[in-house]
Amino acid sequence: SQKIEQNSEALNIQEGKTATLTCNYTNYSPAYLQWYRQDPGRGPVFLLLIRENEKEKRKERLKVTFDTTLKQSLFHITASQPADSATYLCAPGPGPGFKTIFGAGTRLFVKA
Amino acid sequence: SQTIHQWPATLVQPVGSPLSLECTVEGTSNPNLYWYRQAAGRGLQLLFYSVGIGQISSEVPQNLSASRPQDRQFILSSKKLLLSDSGFYLCAWSTTHEQYFGPGTRLTVT
Repeated sequence: SQKIEQNSEALNIQEGKTATLTCNYTNYSPAYLQWYRQDPGRGPVFLLLIRENEKEKRKERLKVTFDTTLKQSLFHITASQPADSATYLCAPGPGPGFKTIFGAGTRLFVKA
Repeated sequence: SQTIHQWPATLVQPVGSPLSLECTVEGTSNPNLYWYRQAAGRGLQLLFYSVGIGQISSEVPQNLSASRPQDRQFILSSKKLLLSDSGFYLCAWSTTHEQYFGPGTRLTVT
């Protein structure tokens, strides 16, 4: 069955540094991959979608890469700020039956 | 612009009591609708999804049910709550790939 792996350990970085989060998937070949941000007690918020024919996508301080050979996506936040502290979820898709399956997320803490 | 509403925001219910959570979407037509549950510190578990009125797909066998009586209304129900039903319930909609989530309902079953 399809499996999505995100680092379950929290990532702690200093303000101003680049945060890099990893999403690995197995047992399927997604046509696209999405990243979401979730703050405590809130619903996830869509950030970016990258398609299989795109190697990299950028949006302001965010950069996402998608390596279909390695079955991996990297999510970068440059010049990180304490306000970037949140849990980040990846979601390769489409999943079975065209549903979206979400990874468990990685918690990011940015210290001032 | 599109808006998604969920209510109530928090709910405390005794074991064995019924449940009804409602979700409505504004500003879009014929959306795909989803119910997720998230246990504390865990990922999103898809419970139900719907591609149209009266069309419900269940992902996990349990004592919950869902209904879609109108195009932009999605209801999650239970006849008798279990302790294990406690969690954070999220409704979401989509028309393409990205999903847009509601504010969620925090359910505590005591």
